[in-house]
Amino acid sequence: NAGVMQNPRHLVRRRGQEARLRCSPMKGHSHVYWYRQLPEEGLKFMVYLQKENIIDESGMPKERFSAEFPKEGPSILRIQQVVRGDSAAYFCASSQGADAVNEQFFGPGTRLTVL
Amino acid sequence: AQTVTQSQPEMSVQEAETVTLSCTYDTSENNYYLFWYKQPPSRQMILVIRQEAYKQQNATENRFSVNFQKAAKSFSLKISDSQLGDTAMYFCAFMKHAAGANNLFFGTGTRLTVIP
Repeated sequence: NAGVMQNPRHLVRRRGQEARLRCSPMKGHSHVYWYRQLPEEGLKFMVYLQKENIIDESGMPKERFSAEFPKEGPSILRIQQVVRGDSAAYFCASSQGADAVNEQFFGPGTRLTVL
Repeated sequence: AQTVTQSQPEMSVQEAETVTLSCTYDTSENNYYLFWYKQPPSRQMILVIRQEAYKQQNATENRFSVNFQKAAKSFSLKISDSQLGDTAMYFCAFMKHAAGANNLFFGTGTRLTVIP
């Protein structure tokens, strides 16, 4: 009974490179959320996706960031032309349904370091 | 907009003692959910307890209980019989009760250390 899987766990990129973060939700979950945690801060919501659809991207920067959750395969958070300020832990969560009755289960996070 | 405030950056408690972590929030919503999450050094986010705003009865989960004061917009977490494994960051979080609006708003966290 695997939980939410994220890879890689650690990712180092140089400024200007692209970062791809992957999230495989729990089995049976079709709702995925991405959060960002800056050092010494709480998690900040970025984007909420269902299969093949972005439902809410109000927390995601308009430029350089994109997310997808294809019909097959993991959800991908993509950061183009990374900058030092993108250094953070990125957490993915998944749920079975679309309301708070359904608990969001979190993955272990991907720690992105931009040199 | 929703905001969640945790005014205690750090707390410590002796093993087996009781500690209370504070959380206040601001919202214009009437129906919502409140959560406490634990983030141990492994960084895994773990749900500790959940409270529905329409329920007056305070939620409890074994050694963890909350004091939910809706009028005051306060949602504190009490940990009884503290154990070394309770050492972690604790985050208070808010979620609106609305279709498609189920992202979590987190506070900045309280770092709890249980002293042996």
